[in-house]
Order: sequence, then structure tokens, then C-alpha cells
Amino acid sequence: GAVVSQHPSRVICKSGTSVKIECRSLDFQATTMFWYRQFPKQSLMLMATSNEGSKATYEQGVEKDKFLINHASLTLSTLTVTSAHPEDSSFYICSARDPQGPGEQYFGPGTRLTVT
Amino acid sequence: GENVEQHPSTLSVQEGDSAVIKCTYSDSASNYFPWYKQELGKGPQLIIDIRSNVGEKKDQRIAVTLNKTAKHFSLHITETQPEDSAVYFCAAVGNTGNQFYFGTGTSLTVIP
Repeated sequence: GAVVSQHPSRVICKSGTSVKIECRSLDFQATTMFWYRQFPKQSLMLMATSNEGSKATYEQGVEKDKFLINHASLTLSTLTVTSAHPEDSSFYICSARDPQGPGEQYFGPGTRLTVT
Repeated sequence: GENVEQHPSTLSVQEGDSAVIKCTYSDSASNYFPWYKQELGKGPQLIIDIRSNVGEKKDQRIAVTLNKTAKHFSLHITETQPEDSAVYFCAAVGNTGNQFYFGTGTSLTVIP
């Protein structure tokens, strides 16, 4: 199957700082990528849909000014958590849809964010 | 919108036994149903999927069945092994292919 990478895998930052997470599709071009958030022992919560060359579409309740998404190329989307607070600590996972395939989403390995 | 329910939330089986996880969905427009396996601290991995024009699909020890009329689909794992221990998520996907609705997950433990 297709491979999606994320960087970093873990990050610890102080309250008030910003953190950028990268999501890359390694062997296919993804016009659409997705960002999820997952709390311990819970399901994945879709935060936003990232479209190459256009603005991201955010789910209800997700602050677009706090979670900045940029999809500047067909293989890279970034999520920046701005002015991070301890409640932003979570597991962030991206996924990408292979436009050549029948519709599967391939997930990255996730990024564990801890805000102190 | 779509609502996906998944049962059971936890499941323990003896090594070699079978495990079955069930999901129901509400939107008849959903036409793609993937299953993901997530190990601790990792992202979900697609293990099998089924489309609405098929009733059953099998890949070695893993099979998925779909009943469109009843709006439910199930994951079957036979001859379970300790490495099958993980959290499994089902999902229902509409015809745009973008909106994935996930179940709440099943934590499977295979006891050696």
C-alpha cells in the first residue's frame, strides 16, 4: 500500500510556542490530505481536510486560527499548532488519499504532542 | 450525517480462536467500508476493505462481510495470534470518498 510519513514522531513544547507537524505522501501525489486528532483510548476525530493549492476545510469546532494547515505541494501538508496550551496535547495523525486508487486513505504514523 | 457504531469495545480471545467485530452504519449512501488496525503509539493501518457491491471479502486470516440491507459489516479474524492484539477501527465512507466516519474502536487482546 501507499506510504505516508509524519515528522516529528514526538514533540514536547512549552505553552505559548508554536509547533509544526509535517505530513508527506512518499510514493504518490495526494491532492487531498486529512488531519485527525486522537485522545487516549478514543477514536479518530477529523480536524480538517487539506486541499493542495487551496484553503483547508475545517470541521465544526476546530479553530482555524489555532490549527494552521498548509498544503503547498502534492506530497506535503503541514499542521501548525499555534500558541500551544496543555490541552492541545494529543496524538495528531494525518492521512492522504491516493487519487489514482479507488478511495483508500493511508495514515501516517502519528505525532505525539506534549505541551508543558 | 453518518453514524457508525462498533461492538464490542474490548475483546479477549485465546490464541487460535476467532475474533469477530461488528459495525453498523446509518447512511445508506455509504459505499466503502475499510477496517484499520492501530497498534499502541502508531497510526492506523488499512488491513482490509469492502465496497457496497460486494458481500464478502477475504485475505488470508482476515475476512469482512457486508449486509447492505441491514447496514452492518463485520471483521472476522481466524486463528488469532498474539500479534493480532491491537485496536481495530471500522469506518464508513460516502461516495465523495473524503468523509470517513470511524467507529469507536475495539481493543483486541489475544491471550497466548
